[in-house]
Amino acid sequence: AQKITQTQPGMFVQEKEAVTLDCTYDTSDQSYGLFWYKQPSSGEMIFLIYQGSYDEQNATEGRYSLNFQKARKSANLVISASQLGDSAMYFCAMREGEGSARQLTFGSGTQLTVLP
Amino acid sequence: DTAVSQTPKYLVTQMGNDKSIKCEQNLGHDTMYWYKQDSKKFLKIMFSYNNKELIINETVPNRFSPKSPDKAHLNLHINSLELGDSAVYFCASSQPGVGTEAFFGQGTRLTVV
Repeated sequence: AQKITQTQPGMFVQEKEAVTLDCTYDTSDQSYGLFWYKQPSSGEMIFLIYQGSYDEQNATEGRYSLNFQKARKSANLVISASQLGDSAMYFCAMREGEGSARQLTFGSGTQLTVLP
Repeated sequence: DTAVSQTPKYLVTQMGNDKSIKCEQNLGHDTMYWYKQDSKKFLKIMFSYNNKELIINETVPNRFSPKSPDKAHLNLHINSLELGDSAVYFCASSQPGVGTEAFFGQGTRLTVV
């Protein structure tokens, strides 16, 4: 089974509007972390936001917020007031359990296009 | 000051050749990784090292051999390159712990012709 599922291969949003990128995850661990990364066309991987499984509040970082619904195992990224520079590939990722060298497992990504 | 740096950024080579990609991090992290991003942009873990010790070795052909001379460096050597090895390879590093983000290098685009 996929550990991270992103069901939207592509999304379009009008500039200045908000957009939600979906992410569901599958784990039996009690302790895990959820991450979102942005990959613009230039190719680098940019960390955006993190949510821990024990965090009671949804994470926010500037225009990014994470809508964490633990019972539904979803961790959707919300981008408010979209800008043209937000056009990029967005990846949801998870790290499970404690201990050293636990890798990030990534979803298949959502290509976001912001329209002027 | 680049946190995680990979060289080269682009690599074009012929089938059957041997090539290396170098990675260095100056963040003092204990853990380093190699990821492969295929043509559909899917990112898959290849290897993970913690303090120079191999921790994770996913189902990667043994033509791929990582080497960690010290905890700041994790190089990837690929023998007998095949067309299917064409991809973008990312090095990353992080501290242990479920809540620490991974910092990525800029990627190496490998093209095998």
